[in-house]
Formats: sequence, structure tokens, C-alpha cells
Amino acid sequence: DQQVKQNSPSLSVQEGRISILNCDYTNSMFDYFLWYKKYPAEGPTFLISISSIKDKNEDGRFTVFLNKSAKHLSLHIVPSQPGDSAVYFCAANPRGSNYKLTFGKGTLLTVNP
Amino acid sequence: GAGVSQSPSNKVTEKGKDVELRCDPISGHTALYWYRQSLGQGLEFLIYFQGNSAPDKSGLPSDRFSAERTGGSVSTLTIQRTQQEDSAVYLCASSPRLVSYEQYFGPGTRLTVT
Repeated sequence: DQQVKQNSPSLSVQEGRISILNCDYTNSMFDYFLWYKKYPAEGPTFLISISSIKDKNEDGRFTVFLNKSAKHLSLHIVPSQPGDSAVYFCAANPRGSNYKLTFGKGTLLTVNP
Repeated sequence: GAGVSQSPSNKVTEKGKDVELRCDPISGHTALYWYRQSLGQGLEFLIYFQGNSAPDKSGLPSDRFSAERTGGSVSTLTIQRTQQEDSAVYLCASSPRLVSYEQYFGPGTRLTVT
């Protein structure tokens, strides 16, 4: 039972354009959401997060949007750079369990020069 | 400073053998977590430690899996009588506090059971 779903295994965009990575979740107990970025042969690194009390969080080129009614979040990267090419994981943790992350399967983003 | 390190980076073992995977967290981090990523899947939470104790072992897939942490630092994940379905990348993370957004991950150990 996949509680966090990333339905696009891969995404390819042109340098300078916007990258939009999507994530859906099914567990209404999730109240904190995170995006991680992973390069080959490295562990995931934390990128940006959002609490369920917000609908948007921005950090430089990265913005995460949360639509609670649709149980959907997205990560926007603008402008995209070749160094952004990596696997992006969406993750969530449930209320009362601020350590136990549930991850999606990841989306491979390729930014072409 | 040094990040989370894991050893070995790769391990190939025969079905039925026991394996030990090691994690060295970032110095001073009190919380330590183990995850695994099977092929084509997301990361799956296995267990976490606060200090040397493991309050939540709910993610361990079977009683063949165990983990310990000594001295509030190094942790070992042991898989007994390995099965082919245990093949995965095993990731360790640590954090200075028990919060999800401060988990720093190691590079993982790729386990292949033949």
C-alpha cells in the first residue's frame, strides 16, 4: 500500500525552464512533508519541507506547494539548472511521529543544457 | 565536518548467511535511523535509535532483522539467514534531534543476496 506516490518516474526539462515534480499521498494523518534530492552513490539530502498548516514554502529557486484537500504536493524548481539533475523523493511524516518518514519511489529529473 | 558513513558500500552474500551492516553517524547526533530501498521502491523505515535505545522497531520486516547501537554512536544492522528479498540498499541517517527534517543520510550499503 503506497501511501506516498510519485507517479512520474522521470522528467526531462530544458535548462532555465521550470521543473514541476508531483507527489500524492493517501494518509490523512500526514502533517509534515519533505523533499529530498539524491545523486548517484550518495544518500538523499534534505531540500525543502512544508507543514500542513501552510500551503506554500519557498527557498530560493525551490518552492513547495501543498493542496491538502487534494492530498497533493508539488516541488517547483525555477530556473532549472543542469546541477539539479538527480532523483527527487517526496516524503511525509504523520502527526505525533516526527521522525518516521514515508517516502515515494522518486522521480528522476534530467535538466538538459 | 564528516558526514554519516556506512560500511561496507557493497555486500554480496549467499542466501542463508548472516550479514552485518555498519553505520557511523555524525558526531553528536543522538538520533539514528535505518531505512532500506528495494529496487523500484521508495525508502522504507526500519528502526530508529534515541541514544542507545530503540523505542520503535515496528519497521523491521521480520525477526531475522535486528539492530543495536552502542555508546550512543555506531550502529549495526544484522540480518540473519539472508533471503533474496533482503536485497536492497540499506541507508542510515542521523539527526541532532528526533525530527524528520534534520535527518542526514549516509551513502548506503548495497546488499545483494544470491
